This record gives sequence, structure tokens and C-alpha cells, in this order.
Amino acid sequence: DGGITQSPKYLFRKEGQNVTLSCEQNLNHDAMYWYRQDPGQGLRLIYYSQIVNDFQKGDIAEGYSVSREKKESFPLTVTSAQKNPTAFYLCASSMGGAETQYFGPGTRLLVL
Amino acid sequence: GESVGLHLPTLSVQEGDNSIINCAYSNSASDYFIWYKQESGKGPQFIIDIRSNMDKRQGQRVTVLLNKTVKHLSLQIAATQPGDSAVYFCAENFMDTGRRALTFGSGTRLQVQP
Repeated sequence: DGGITQSPKYLFRKEGQNVTLSCEQNLNHDAMYWYRQDPGQGLRLIYYSQIVNDFQKGDIAEGYSVSREKKESFPLTVTSAQKNPTAFYLCASSMGGAETQYFGPGTRLLVL
Repeated sequence: GESVGLHLPTLSVQEGDNSIINCAYSNSASDYFIWYKQESGKGPQFIIDIRSNMDKRQGQRVTVLLNKTVKHLSLQIAATQPGDSAVYFCAENFMDTGRRALTFGSGTRLQVQP
């Protein structure tokens, strides 16, 4: 897991509720990423940020929002617009321009 | 579209045997490849990488082979141990509109029988 932490480990969401997943890294990495993983499948990119105060949509950004106010932090909000939020969410980071991404331990989101 | 895929969804091996996990890629612009190991309920862990100007790279008990002619990647694990049981992902890396894009395959589950 390196220097990337995610919290909480498990998160429960009620209908119509927004929830925020935390991701923090102390690796001094410029770039950070959010992925969604569904059972038996690979990772799909939700959002990424290459630098503070800037972020871009990935392949499945609808129903999600992010912010990047600090280099160390890249929180992900799962909004009520995301109709199928149950999944394992993974945060990653990399050096600016570098290829290898390092992952956090993940947050499992469940819907009540 | 361009994609990364795996030939075998599940691989079962005996402890002590060698394991070979295969991966096909289709993006000819990919110039860097990574293998990750993901244990149940955890995030992917970097195992080994290889650049497109190489054919082979060795780590501790692991070897990655790259065949650019047929766009094939493999991960070899020597003397497989129970702790190697996990899902293994290959990922291809390429430049996409000014950023490094990483595309993952769906994964192969390695089961090590004692």
C-alpha cells in the first residue's frame, strides 16, 4: 500500500445520499487517480489529477466529483446521481510524468 | 477499441511449480507494461514492469516476457508459493492526450494448491 491511505475501509450509503471517500498520500506524488473495480473485473478510471487545483474526467466520471486542493489529498464524492455505486474504489498516485501508479488499500462502498 | 485482455481467467497450480500468466494487448502505442498482484480485499501491488524496448526482465522469482510481434505479455512465477495466490493484472501504459494512461485487463486468478 506504500504511502497511500484510504478511508474508510467500508462505507454504507443510503438512497439519495452523497458520500465522500478519502485518499491521502505522503509520497510527494504529483498525480492522483480514482478507479472503480466491480467483482471479477479490472479497474476503470473515474477521475485523475495531474497537479493541484486541476483534475480531469476519466472513462466513467458520471455521478462522481472530486477536488484537489492539496497535493496530498484527492477526495472522491459519490453523488446521488450515481445509480449503481456499489463497488470497490481504489485511489492511486504516481510521480508527474511517470508511468507506475501505486495504489491504496481501497474502500468498499455498499448501498443500504 | 484498444484493450488489454487475458487468456485464462483462473490458473490453478501446485505449490512449488512454476506459473505462467498470459496477457494480450492491442494498443500498438503502448510502450510500458506493468504487472500487479491483488489479494482479496486489498489494493493492487506493483510486481514488475517492462518497457517496450526490452524483451525480458527478471525480478525476485518473477520474470516478465514481452513479445511485441504478437503483442503478448507474460508473467512467470518460479516455485509458486501459497502466498502467491491472488488476482494478477497486466496493465499497458501509453501517452493519451498529454497524460500517461494506464489500461488494465480483467485479471487472472492464481490458485496455489498445497
